[in-house]
Amino acid sequence: KAGVTQTPRYLIKTRGQQVTLSCSPISGHRSVSWYQQTPGQGLQFLFEYFSETQRNKGNFPGRFSGRQFSNSRSEMNVSTLELGDSALYLCASSQGRSYEQYFGPGTRLTVT
Amino acid sequence: AQSVTQLDSQVPVFEEAPVELRCNYSSSVSVYLFWYVQYPNQGLQLLLKYLSGSTLVKGINGFEAEFNKSQTSFHLRKPSVHISDTAEYFCAVSRVEGGKLIFGQGTELSVKP
Repeated sequence: KAGVTQTPRYLIKTRGQQVTLSCSPISGHRSVSWYQQTPGQGLQFLFEYFSETQRNKGNFPGRFSGRQFSNSRSEMNVSTLELGDSALYLCASSQGRSYEQYFGPGTRLTVT
Repeated sequence: AQSVTQLDSQVPVFEEAPVELRCNYSSSVSVYLFWYVQYPNQGLQLLLKYLSGSTLVKGINGFEAEFNKSQTSFHLRKPSVHISDTAEYFCAVSRVEGGKLIFGQGTELSVKP
């Protein structure tokens, strides 16, 4: 089976712009979660989607949003980018909510 | 709420020596426990998981971990490390109902020849 794929792998944006990141889960996986990884804060949970519904949300401002489509693919959007949004954004998929999560390679976002 | 503490931020070790990476967790409810490894410029790879059953869990690449409920620990061990084990290792917990993973701050394992 193909693993979790994330596009794009690298992205450079300017402050104030918005960005959309995409995640395709492992075939058959219905749950998708997003995490932000920075050197200072480590790995932090953003959101979790299961069957197109957001089940859980982390402690991030409303500029961070996401959605899941009927084929389980997910997107996350960050509006009005700030320098502090520079990070590795990781997507993970699992068969269901009580199963282990498998991670994609991440999207490296740099905000200048 | 759950929390995870990885007791060592960096662990240097010589090739073929044994290694232990320590992880303690805190939770008022039952949890699942995981160890992930991250190589430079890559995502996280699942090394092993404890969901239930035997407290000694074996994973990939010769790693194993022991769940100790009384000490709320889940330490990762390998009897003989290789240069290729150089990476960052993350301990994580989630509630058994599922949902988000809570990660420790990571331990950088550096294997020297």
